[in-house]
Amino acid sequence: EAGVAQSPRYKIIEKRQSVAFWCNPISGHATLYWYQQILGQGPKLLIQFQNNGVVDDSQLPKDRFSAERLKGVDSTLKIQPAKLEDSAVYLCASSKQGGGEQYFGPGTRLTVT
Amino acid sequence: KNEVEQSPQNLTAQEGEFITINCSYSVGISALHWLQQHPGGGIVSLFMLSSGKKKHGRLIATINIQEKHSSLHITASHPRDSAVYICAAMNYGGSQGNLIFGKGTKLSVKP
Repeated sequence: EAGVAQSPRYKIIEKRQSVAFWCNPISGHATLYWYQQILGQGPKLLIQFQNNGVVDDSQLPKDRFSAERLKGVDSTLKIQPAKLEDSAVYLCASSKQGGGEQYFGPGTRLTVT
Repeated sequence: KNEVEQSPQNLTAQEGEFITINCSYSVGISALHWLQQHPGGGIVSLFMLSSGKKKHGRLIATINIQEKHSSLHITASHPRDSAVYICAAMNYGGSQGNLIFGKGTKLSVKP
C-alpha cells in the first residue's frame, strides 16, 4: 500500500512570493489533514477535510493561506504572499475517517528568505 | 500551559539503556498517539491507544486515563532509535480526529 505522497520535499522562496504544496493521501482515506510544524514545536493543524468538504479550518490564516480538495482525493495548500514566519515543515496526513489513525507524508520543508 | 506536555524535552542515552518518555494531557481524549519523527521531517505513527498497554517490538506504550498520563518505553535502545518522539492527544471536543501535539522529546542514543 502506497503511503501519503507530498511534493515538493523542499522549497525556498522570498517573502511576498507564492508557493503551493501538493498531497496525495492513501487510497480510500476520506479524511485529509494539513499541519504546520515550526522548528522546535509540535505540528499544528491548519485544515482538515472530510472527502471534499472542510471540517476544521479554524487555525488557517485565511488572509494568506488557502487549501482545496476538489475531488476528495488529492489536495493543494497555497500560501500567497509568504512571510518569513511561514518557514516551517508542512505535513499532510490522512486517515480512513475522522478519528482514525493518521498516516503522515514526508513533509515539505519551506524556507522563506 | 500547553494541553499536552512531554518530558523530558531532550534525552541522551547509551546504547542498551531502557528509555522512558512521559506525556501528560489536560483535555478529555478519545485516543492518544505516539509518533516518531526522524530528521528530514517525516512522521511515523507508532501507537494509537485509548487504554491499557500496547507493545510492538522493543517499544511499549501505556496510558492511564484517570491520571491523564501516558508513557513510551524503549527497551534495549539502539542508535537507530534516535529521533523526536511526539505525543498527540485526540480530543473529544472540536473536530473529530483533531490531534493536539506535544512539543516532542528529542532522543539521542549513543553507541
